[in-house]
Amino acid sequence: DAGVIQSPRHEVTEMGQEVTLRCKPISGHNSLFWYRQTMMRGLELLIYFNNNVPIDDSGMPEDRFSAKMPNASFSTLKIQPSEPRDSAVYFCASSVQVYTEAFFGQGTRLTVV
Amino acid sequence: KNEVEQSPQNLTAQEGEFITINCSYSVGISALHWLQQHPGGGIVSLFMLSSGKKKHGRLIATINIQEKHSSLHITASHPRDSAVYICAPGRGSQGNLIFGKGTKLSVKP
Repeated sequence: DAGVIQSPRHEVTEMGQEVTLRCKPISGHNSLFWYRQTMMRGLELLIYFNNNVPIDDSGMPEDRFSAKMPNASFSTLKIQPSEPRDSAVYFCASSVQVYTEAFFGQGTRLTVV
Repeated sequence: KNEVEQSPQNLTAQEGEFITINCSYSVGISALHWLQQHPGGGIVSLFMLSSGKKKHGRLIATINIQEKHSSLHITASHPRDSAVYICAPGRGSQGNLIFGKGTKLSVKP
């Protein structure tokens, strides 16, 4: 298996633009997590899904952030409109179930200028 | 107060030394993960444990649920062990991970 696949690896965008990050979890994994990592705050959970259903989105910072999981093999994290303070590395991870070992993607480094 | 406290924040060791990284948490957990993040940024899960001890090569992880404490040990450290090690308890009621700030380990040859 190729592991968790995220795209793009790097994204540079102008303030106000819409940004969409993509994640393909490991086949057979039922739980998917979106995390954000910044120097100031470290790693933070944004949202997680179980069986394609959002379970906890309390970590989503604002209404500008939204996440979807239309099927078991694909999820998106969208920021609209983007702001400079959204600049961070966004990680997607998946696991067989919520309580089992998580496997991380390589991350998307987002820079909003 | 942070829900997860790691110590030390930074650690420099000589090759061959025995390394210990500590993690204390204040929430009820289902399991605790130790993650490794290399300078390139990728995150790898090293261990997931809910009791006792696990060993993988030169790495050993222990957890004391009653004391809400876990340790990660590296025996015979090597420069390739240089990375940030992150303690991540999984919340007992929800399962999602919360994270320590990480311990930056640098092993000198």
